[in-house]
Order: sequence, then structure tokens, then C-alpha cells
Amino acid sequence: NAGVTQTPKFQVLKTGQSMTLQCAQDMNHNSMYWYRQDPGMGLRLIYYSASEGTTDKGEVPNGYNVSRLNKREFSLRLESAAPSQTSVYFCASRDYSYEQYFGPGTRLTVT
Amino acid sequence: AQSVSQHNHHVILSEAASLELGCNYSYGGTVNLFWYVQYPGQHLQLLLKYFSGDPLVKGIKGFEAEFIKSKFSFNLRKPSVQWSDTAEYFCAVSKNRDDKIIFGKGTRLHILP
Repeated sequence: NAGVTQTPKFQVLKTGQSMTLQCAQDMNHNSMYWYRQDPGMGLRLIYYSASEGTTDKGEVPNGYNVSRLNKREFSLRLESAAPSQTSVYFCASRDYSYEQYFGPGTRLTVT
Repeated sequence: AQSVSQHNHHVILSEAASLELGCNYSYGGTVNLFWYVQYPGQHLQLLLKYFSGDPLVKGIKGFEAEFIKSKFSFNLRKPSVQWSDTAEYFCAVSKNRDDKIIFGKGTRLHILP
């Protein structure tokens, strides 16, 4: 039982490059989330998905797209990376009691 | 839109001191409230949560929080902190059983041995 897994753990991009952050959970949770964590800003919700096939914008969705193709996986895509997207990205899933389980994070640097 | 405010950004305490971290939220309807902790180098884990019922909620590791509806607050407390409580603490809120969960900016707690 791996919980929530994220790949990659680290990534460096040049401005304008694209990439997809992968997230998977093996707990059969319906809801999944993407947050970014920046110093002094806490965790800010980018997108969330209440169930397979549905997605909703969070607090800071601009510059990102998401895809929830199945119940296990929820990916986050940066189409054209910008230095302002340098951050640590956390994926999470939520159980029926509303407890969120977080992945280990992806540290992204955009130069 | 719901929002969460954590007033203390950085708190330094000595071991055995009492702890209270403030959390206020903006939404006026029924809310669900959470406190998460992030130990250095680790990811977030749940300390406690409030949905309904007794406004005094007990969590893991001796933490508790009190929901005061009239003050829109959900402050975290611990009577006697330990060095191992050094971590960052996040308050979070969602509207009644809504999937959208919003976090505060966090409070970095440093316990002096």
C-alpha cells in the first residue's frame, strides 16, 4: 500500500518548456487535489477533482491544466513554464472522513 | 469565497511551555475545520478535525482545538510542548462536506530544548 505517489521528485525546466507532474493513489479515494507550497504562502489549491472525469479550479489555476482519466491518477500539466511556477507541488487524496493524504511532493525549479 | 488566516507566522517556545496557534476563517455557513502538521522533510499529516458536535476536539500527540463559531475561530492548543513538536502547522477549512479544502499560510513552530 503505497498511499499517494508523485513523479518526478525534482525537476528543472527552462522558461517556456512544458511538463506533466504525475500523481497516483491506491486507496480508492474519489477526491484528489493539487496544491503548491511556497515560503510564507502556505498551501494554495490549484485544482481538485471530486471524482473520475470531473475537475474544478482552486485558488491559483492560471498556467496549469489537470487531467483525471481514472480514479487512481490525477496529473498536473504546465504548458509553458514560468519562473513564478517555481514551487513545491503536492498531490493529495481524500477519504470518506475528509482526511487528506499527501504525496511526498515535487520540487520544481523554472529558470 | 472561503479563506483562512493564521496570525502567527513564526512561534518560538521553550520545552514544557503551553502552545496556542490562532486560526480564523471567513465563511459564514457550516464549515469543516482541520489542523495539519508538516515535520521537517516530511509531508503533511492530519492532527485533528472538526465536523460537528463537541466544539473541543482532541487530536493526536496531545493536541486539541476549540471551535468558536461566534469568533470564526479554530485555535490549536497543547498544554506542554516538546522539542519534537518543532514543525509547521496548517489550518484548513472547507464548506460543509464540500471537496474544496483551503489552507492557511502556516505557522512555523520552533521548540527550544
